[in-house]
Amino acid sequence: RKEVEQDPGPFNVPEGATVAFNCTYSNSASQSFFWYRQDCRKEPKLLMSVYSSGNEDGRFTAQLNRASQYISLLIRDSKLSDSATYLCVVPNQAGTALIFGKGTTLSVSS
Amino acid sequence: NAGVTQTPKFQVLKTGQSMTLQCAQDMNHEYMSWYRQDPGMGLRLIHYSVGAGITDQGEVPNGYNVSRSTTEDFPLRLLSAAPSQTSVYFCASSYNPGGLADNEQFFGPGTRLTVL
Repeated sequence: RKEVEQDPGPFNVPEGATVAFNCTYSNSASQSFFWYRQDCRKEPKLLMSVYSSGNEDGRFTAQLNRASQYISLLIRDSKLSDSATYLCVVPNQAGTALIFGKGTTLSVSS
Repeated sequence: NAGVTQTPKFQVLKTGQSMTLQCAQDMNHEYMSWYRQDPGMGLRLIHYSVGAGITDQGEVPNGYNVSRSTTEDFPLRLLSAAPSQTSVYFCASSYNPGGLADNEQFFGPGTRLTVL
């Protein structure tokens, strides 16, 4: 298994839809996980951190399944402004660096 | 605070030329890193530093050098540019890269490099 794997998409959804992205990771000892958002030609920015079973922030919910080693990001009531690439991020085995997935692209249309 | 700044924003080099990409942060972060981002490849770690005077290699270090003489600055040097180094380069800093708290990575705006 690669360190961090994501479905690249693209996910094309209408406004108001609910969409979920999954990410699998290989380091079973990882304690913290992150979702970053990257807009076209911009730098990545932290969207959510996940330390235990999950985290919720408004329309966004991140869940962690340690047994299966995957993290999910759920976006409810999608907005046009949610169109971006979502990066799954996991610390490396040594805990000295963050490993980024290749990203999942979301396009929300009206 | 300016956060993480990078210069230049754009650069075109000829094969064999050398140059330094500048990165600075004013958040007193110990950890700094350089990534390159290519289409379909995601962000790949080039080099990182856990503090002044300490650097280490990431996933794709060949062709690049770094140094960390101060907490604030972490320049990336291309020794002899090659077309394969055409990419977008991001510098990032954080308080703690793998711990449970205060570990958000803050990214600079990126440098778009083209090597002809």
